[in-house]
Amino acid sequence: DGGITQSPKYLFRKEGQNVTLSCEQNLNHDAMYWYRQDPGQGLRLIYYSQIVNDFQKGDIAEGYSVSREKKESFPLTVTSAQKNPTAFYLCASSIDQFYNSPLHFGNGTRLTVT
Amino acid sequence: KNEVEQSPQNLTAQEGEFITINCSYSVGISALHWLQQHPGGGIVSLFMLSSGKKKHGRLIATINIQEKHSSLHITASHPRDSAVYICAVRGPGTASKLTFGTGTRLQVTL
Repeated sequence: DGGITQSPKYLFRKEGQNVTLSCEQNLNHDAMYWYRQDPGQGLRLIYYSQIVNDFQKGDIAEGYSVSREKKESFPLTVTSAQKNPTAFYLCASSIDQFYNSPLHFGNGTRLTVT
Repeated sequence: KNEVEQSPQNLTAQEGEFITINCSYSVGISALHWLQQHPGGGIVSLFMLSSGKKKHGRLIATINIQEKHSSLHITASHPRDSAVYICAVRGPGTASKLTFGTGTRLQVTL
């Protein structure tokens, strides 16, 4: 079955360390997204990519970086510059970026930074 | 920017009850999504609609474009329906980003 795999499910890091969250999809989707979810708030877009080797900042990109070297993979790095990195991170994909494309989500990675 | 409001924030129902979750938004959209987030955190897309009504099993989603309002109905609710239901809207441009509501937490008891 096709889908999106995020790993690991839980991640613990010390403050000041960079950490990379993995997102892999085998749906042959062009568009991929990273969202952050905090208690009591809606999902917020960190970065998105419409095609390989291209990505754009979302609403809360500061302190994060991404790459899109392969269609299947869209890793997110949470850098030490991110002031409040503890959150639940969700990766998603869609056939393309346009309005009639449903989203497919991974199961998320819960990051705790102490 | 679109504002998305969901009501109620929390909902408890007994098995078999008919459930309605509401979503209102502030500006015109090209599409509205209903999503289900399981207790473990994974999200499943339930519906994507831009007009009218869609049905899948016991779930029904409706949208009124003029009133900027959508409802998600669950008929004959079951404890396995317990989850957070999230409404998300895409702006009027064909490649606009999604704005998400904060979700409605549903608990269905026996």
